[in-house]
Amino acid sequence: DGGITQSPKYLFRKEGQNVTLSCEQNLNHDAMYWYRQDPGQGLRLIYYSQIVNDFQKGDIAEGYSVSREKKESFPLTVTSAQKNPTAFYLCASGKAGVGEQYFGPGTRLTVT
Amino acid sequence: DAKTTQPNSMESNEEEPVHLPCNHSTISGTDYIHWYRQLPSQGPEYVIHGLTSNVNNRMASLAIAEDRKSSTLILHRATLRDAAVYYCILRAPGTGNQFYFGTGTSLTVIP
Repeated sequence: DGGITQSPKYLFRKEGQNVTLSCEQNLNHDAMYWYRQDPGQGLRLIYYSQIVNDFQKGDIAEGYSVSREKKESFPLTVTSAQKNPTAFYLCASGKAGVGEQYFGPGTRLTVT
Repeated sequence: DAKTTQPNSMESNEEEPVHLPCNHSTISGTDYIHWYRQLPSQGPEYVIHGLTSNVNNRMASLAIAEDRKSSTLILHRATLRDAAVYYCILRAPGTGNQFYFGTGTSLTVIP
């Protein structure tokens, strides 16, 4: 089945540790995105990539890093520089242009 | 980027139609209007999108005002599975394809 997978669903880390969230898609989409969602809030864009080996900062990129070495994969690293990393992280992909985005199931990260 | 304004919450009785409003008075001529919905602890799901004309699909209808400053998502018969947060989003071509989500409208469906 085509779709977007994110793993793991739940992730727990100690403060000061970097952690990498996985996002894979088999929809042959050029564009991929990472969003963060806090309780009761809408989604905020962290990073996006329109093509392999290229990515752009979104509204809240500080403390995060990404890579796009393959079309199918867009991993997000939450670094120790991110002051409030506990959140629900959502990955999405889409075709270039104005079509819809397809979202993964999300990873809930808890940092203590 | 053009913003959208939605009510924080709405209620509907099961099997009745639901009209979810969205105001976007600063919309530009090339902005598409997208609607997504999100169930708790899940990723958002695409519902519908349009530019100028009203649009229908199996999930919903989108009614766009003639001046495009507002739109309405119409669920023809609400079911309990339609209880979700609904987001109205504007998206302009050539802006990197990113979406800007607000806080949306939380729809409660009453059995």
